[in-house]
Amino acid sequence: QKEVEQDPGPLSVPEGAIVSLNCTYSNSAFQYFMWYRQYSRKGPELLMYTYSSGNKEDGRFTAQVDKSSKYISLFIRDSQPSDSATYLCAMSMGGTSYGKLTFGQGTILTVHP
Amino acid sequence: DAGVTQSPTHLIKTRGQQVTLRCSPKSGHDTVSWYQQALGQGPQFIFQYYEEEERQRGNFPDRFSGHQFPNYSSELNVNALLLGDSALYLCASSLSGSNTIYFGEGSWLTVV
Repeated sequence: QKEVEQDPGPLSVPEGAIVSLNCTYSNSAFQYFMWYRQYSRKGPELLMYTYSSGNKEDGRFTAQVDKSSKYISLFIRDSQPSDSATYLCAMSMGGTSYGKLTFGQGTILTVHP
Repeated sequence: DAGVTQSPTHLIKTRGQQVTLRCSPKSGHDTVSWYQQALGQGPQFIFQYYEEEERQRGNFPDRFSGHQFPNYSSELNVNALLLGDSALYLCASSLSGSNTIYFGEGSWLTVV
């Protein structure tokens, strides 16, 4: 079993839709949670970073963490065609493991006009 | 402010050969990590360098080695290349103790 599970999709939504992306994890030692966006043939771009249970909002993006359920989500409001990309969740244990990220497989998202 | 830069962007090697990939971290960052991303998969952690020492290592064989220079730039070396080493190799930089990690655009390696 992988430490981090992420549905690869693909997910196709119309412009303006609310998108929900999710990851589950098995290792309770994960303390820090990130979401990256990766356009085709490019490096991952950091979107959101959080370390506590609850919600964190940044513009159209909301990251949600539920440590008790080992479940994280990313919501995208008013989705745009430019949001079409692969979304990767990533986690870290911190401490001596700072900077070592464990990624999900990535979810391919297409927003069509 | 330059971000993380990597070179080369693309390269093709033959099985059994050796390859060196290079990375310059984001200005102000002192920690460099390397990841391997196979097609359709998330990146996998190879190792991390800080103060010119390998600080953490993922589940990769000894064929994968690295180096960090005094200016914090880094190299990834892969010996005895296998077809399965074909992937996007990503360099990531951060400040020691931080989980705010930035990635470069990657080096696409094809082994034939």
